[in-house]
Amino acid sequence: GENVEQHPSTLSVQEGDSAVIKCTYSDSASNYFPWYKQELGKRPQLIIDIRSNVGEKKDQRIAVTLNKTAKHFSLHITETQPEDSAVYFCAASKASSASKIIFGSGTRLSIRP
Amino acid sequence: NAGVTQTPKFRVLKTGQSMTLLCAQDMNHEYMYWYRQDPGMGLRLIHYSVGEGTTAKGEVPDGYNVSRLKKQNFLLGLESAAPSQTSVYFCASINTLEGGYTFGSGTRLTVV
Repeated sequence: GENVEQHPSTLSVQEGDSAVIKCTYSDSASNYFPWYKQELGKRPQLIIDIRSNVGEKKDQRIAVTLNKTAKHFSLHITETQPEDSAVYFCAASKASSASKIIFGSGTRLSIRP
Repeated sequence: NAGVTQTPKFRVLKTGQSMTLLCAQDMNHEYMYWYRQDPGMGLRLIHYSVGEGTTAKGEVPDGYNVSRLKKQNFLLGLESAAPSQTSVYFCASINTLEGGYTFGSGTRLTVV
């Protein structure tokens, strides 16, 4: 089955700097890659997603890139702010598998003032 | 429109006791899922359902059972709770891959 690996497990950046979180997946048939943000004590919430027919997607300060050949995808957050502090999860899915989504182990992002 | 509702929010069980976690969604979603979340291990899929009357195993199904008798409800059962099942449990639902999951607020279960 699908396996998603996520790095780093913790990340600390200065406010205003950029943060990058990287994931790899094992199943070449995966074609949907969402990213979730989970604040302390809250439920995960979708922040951005990308499909296999797109190489890059941007939404304000957040962007995601996908390299299908290498089976890598990454989350980029620019001009980080204190409210970006949270745990971020990458995930992968394929439409043929009843939409079940397999998650990475998470990255705890801390923004230093 | 409440989205995805989980009950209870907190529970403490003794080893060997049984309980059922309820997930209810009012969005007419076909697919529903149960995940557990443990520190450093992300969200792991326990069981899922692609429609009323259907269930399937996920990554970590042992020790759990599920039922989807009605489209809007997905129940997760623990027949004989073990300390290893101490975790936060999240339910989620989705209609298609458009827009990703909608998660419930979670159930924090402690087995002593």
